[in-house]
Amino acid sequence: KAGVTQTPRYLIKTRGQQVTLSCSPISGHRSVSWYQQTPGQGLQFLFEYFSETQRNKGNFPGRFSGRQFSNSRSEMNVSTLELGDSALYLCASSYDRGTYGYTFGSGTRLTVV
Amino acid sequence: DAKTTQPNSMESNEEEPVHLPCNHSTISGTDYIHWYRQLPSQGPEYVIHGLTSNVNNRMASLAIAEDRKSSTLILHRATLRDAAVYYCILRDNYGQNFVFGPGTRLSVLP
Repeated sequence: KAGVTQTPRYLIKTRGQQVTLSCSPISGHRSVSWYQQTPGQGLQFLFEYFSETQRNKGNFPGRFSGRQFSNSRSEMNVSTLELGDSALYLCASSYDRGTYGYTFGSGTRLTVV
Repeated sequence: DAKTTQPNSMESNEEEPVHLPCNHSTISGTDYIHWYRQLPSQGPEYVIHGLTSNVNNRMASLAIAEDRKSSTLILHRATLRDAAVYYCILRDNYGQNFVFGPGTRLSVLP
């Protein structure tokens, strides 16, 4: 079966712009989580959606937001981009909020210049 | 959030067993022990998880101490493909988010 698909794979944006990243979970998975990975901070949890509702939120500013659609696909949005937002953004899906593990996508590499 | 402690790095020779330790002295009774690994240029990959008893799957074995304050991920025969960062994470089943630490960077020497 198809894995977790994240688009685009690479993105270059300018400071002050906004960006939307997309995640298509494994078919049948209802939970989608987002993570930011940087060399300095490692993997940090952004938020989790389950059945279109945000269930958990990490310690990120309000410029970071997300949503989940009825087909479980999810998007995350970052407004007013800063240089420090340059990172690998990873999406993970699970049927049951991770009880039996999450499947991660390969990520979107965002570079802010 | 319950914390885990892992060595920063470890080395192994190809085709030898590897024991990756994880200390979690503040583990609560409802915390499961999860292991993920991240190969270069990829997202993390689920390896194994357990609560109290030792667990085996096709990728690895998980040995959990009787007091649950530590655990060991065992790769029975390391291959070059096993070179990755290995993360030990505690999480209950009530919807906590995963908290990834720095993990252990495993190098496998041919």
